[in-house]
Amino acid sequence: EADIYQTPRYLVIGTGKKITLECSQTMGHDKMYWYQQDPGMELHLIHYSYGVNSTEKGDLSSESTVSRIRTEHFPLTLESARPSHTSQYLCASSPKNQETQYFGPGTRLLVL
Amino acid sequence: AQTVTQSQPEMSVQEAETVTLSCTYDTSESDYYLFWYKQPPSRQMILVIRQEAYKQQNATENRFSVNFQKAAKSFSLKISDSQLGDAAMYFCAYRRSTSNTGKLIFGQGTTLQVKP
Repeated sequence: EADIYQTPRYLVIGTGKKITLECSQTMGHDKMYWYQQDPGMELHLIHYSYGVNSTEKGDLSSESTVSRIRTEHFPLTLESARPSHTSQYLCASSPKNQETQYFGPGTRLLVL
Repeated sequence: AQTVTQSQPEMSVQEAETVTLSCTYDTSESDYYLFWYKQPPSRQMILVIRQEAYKQQNATENRFSVNFQKAAKSFSLKISDSQLGDAAMYFCAYRRSTSNTGKLIFGQGTTLQVKP
């Protein structure tokens, strides 16, 4: 398994709370990604980053925001969580000139 | 826009037998990459196998092999000598070779059950 970590693994939180999902990788990969995956469904890209200080929105519209201040760190923030944000969030990374993405274990978020 | 379709939501196989998971895709590109990822229950998604579209030879990784039919835009995964640890959700994914983002487009997934 690749050296990419996500915390927390599980999170139950009330509506309106601000949350940050952490993602870190120790492989020095330039590119990082956030995917949203509902149970038993496909993954949808919500954010990606080419490198430090570069972030872009993905295909699926999301109210979350991301930042990339350090190469190894790509946190995702929800300013005000809602039940519609309940899902699994997967972080991934890939080296600059490689096609393969390496995935973290995911964060399962439940917003009550 | 590119799309990836996995038409088998669920499949089952007897331990030690062979199973084939189907994947079709739609693209106007001539150069791209295709992947099969495995997502075990509550565990990390890992790469099973990948194929470069410009290579005619089908990729093979131990018990896993693909049948890549470029003209038919088909990319099936064959698992030989199935093991209990192969039980997982399998995703087919596509990536344009010229993509700056490296963005993957995923199919809907196929849940594979392995029966002892």
